[in-house]
Amino acid sequence: GEDVEQSLFLSVREGDSSVINCTYTDSSSTYLYWYKQEPGAGLQLLTYIFSNMDMKQDQRLTVLLNKKDKHLSLRIADTQTGDSAIYFCAERGATNKLIFGTGTLLAVQP
Amino acid sequence: DSGVTQTPKHLITATGQRVTLRCSPRSGDLSVYWYQQSLDQGLQFLIHYYNGEERAKGNILERFSAQQFPDLHSELNLSSLELGDSALYFCASNSFVGDTQYFGPGTRLTVL
Repeated sequence: GEDVEQSLFLSVREGDSSVINCTYTDSSSTYLYWYKQEPGAGLQLLTYIFSNMDMKQDQRLTVLLNKKDKHLSLRIADTQTGDSAIYFCAERGATNKLIFGTGTLLAVQP
Repeated sequence: DSGVTQTPKHLITATGQRVTLRCSPRSGDLSVYWYQQSLDQGLQFLIHYYNGEERAKGNILERFSAQQFPDLHSELNLSSLELGDSALYFCASNSFVGDTQYFGPGTRLTVL
């Protein structure tokens, strides 16, 4: 079936690293995505990774993919209060629809 | 700003009514996707249109329908509204079917 799971909540202190985890079920997914949603706002694409990659780095963001375990993580270095938001991982399923996780609320304490 | 626009931003209506949500994709994008975000169901795919034709359907109720017009904008029609239809409705677009999807700001629908 199609199911993407994430932990619901993560609290970190400003300046620390944040790691948000995600597990997915469809081993045939070619692309996996991270989106950010701030209160009252839409979904902002943060980054994505192709399934034949293990890692992708983009400034403060590092995505790690363990295809064997179907595990995806997003690391945010030097987390700032402006990073407080809900983070969704998503896999691109059949027919190219996105299958989203439940979202992880990241709270950054000053 | 993703370049995808949605109107209206907020919509408040009563049970049993019908509403239309509008989406304009990014310039040049042929695909439009609709998603619903609710507290109990999370973010769910509803339907996908490509260049005016329906390509895929997700968990879309029979009371809901959509279309994509020749100018590529899309409308999502919700009828016989129920309290449980209260949600954020997003549309997304991309230029070709395998490309990254860019999301609009959403329409918040409240059914009273």
